[in-house]
Amino acid sequence: DVKVTQSSRYLVKRTGEKVFLECVQDMDHENMFWYRQDPGLGLRLIYFSYDVKMKEKGDIPEGYSVSREKKERFSLILESASTNQTSMYLCASSLYPGARLETQYFGPGTRLLVL
Amino acid sequence: AQSVTQPDIHITVSEGASLELRCNYSYGATPYLFWYVQSPGQGLQLLLKYFSGDTLVQGIKGFEAEFKRSQSSFNLRKPSVHWSDAAEYFCAVGARDDKIIFGKGTRLHILP
Repeated sequence: DVKVTQSSRYLVKRTGEKVFLECVQDMDHENMFWYRQDPGLGLRLIYFSYDVKMKEKGDIPEGYSVSREKKERFSLILESASTNQTSMYLCASSLYPGARLETQYFGPGTRLLVL
Repeated sequence: AQSVTQPDIHITVSEGASLELRCNYSYGATPYLFWYVQSPGQGLQLLLKYFSGDTLVQGIKGFEAEFKRSQSSFNLRKPSVHWSDAAEYFCAVGARDDKIIFGKGTRLHILP
């Protein structure tokens, strides 16, 4: 079974802090994704990556950056956390490029509260 | 532009009753369609997907979905729901730029 793990289930940070959310997948998947999930808005794509050191902006990249130094790890960085970034963050991976055809495998999510 | 609409934000059904969750999509070509489920406190899990062929797709946990091109719909069904089916359900479409676009979700409540 594919396993996608996220470093924290719950995180509380203060406004202005730099926040790192880590995601690791164990099935050698090419694609990795970061979404945020908010009530009534569903899932919105922040960034995705097709390969190591490669990244593409999603629909809401402002205020975020990402890093993919190794194939199995995809990090989401909030350079200076703000209260409007309080949300559930979901990481996902899929096997091949051509992501629109592929099943995505999701981690359990990190619920971030920014005070 | 590609989009996915789930008209029902919440649905409540009694345990043992049948279920249909609605999904409408907007897409210019043959769509790639998915249904995912998110149990409380969990990430999303794929229930089923449609790429081509038979328009009635079987998935896990006794779910099925029917693709109807004329109605731009991909509704999810289950003949008899169980209390463990209480969750949020997301319809999604694979988009041209290699993203997957998710609907806003339908939260399913089960009455005992």
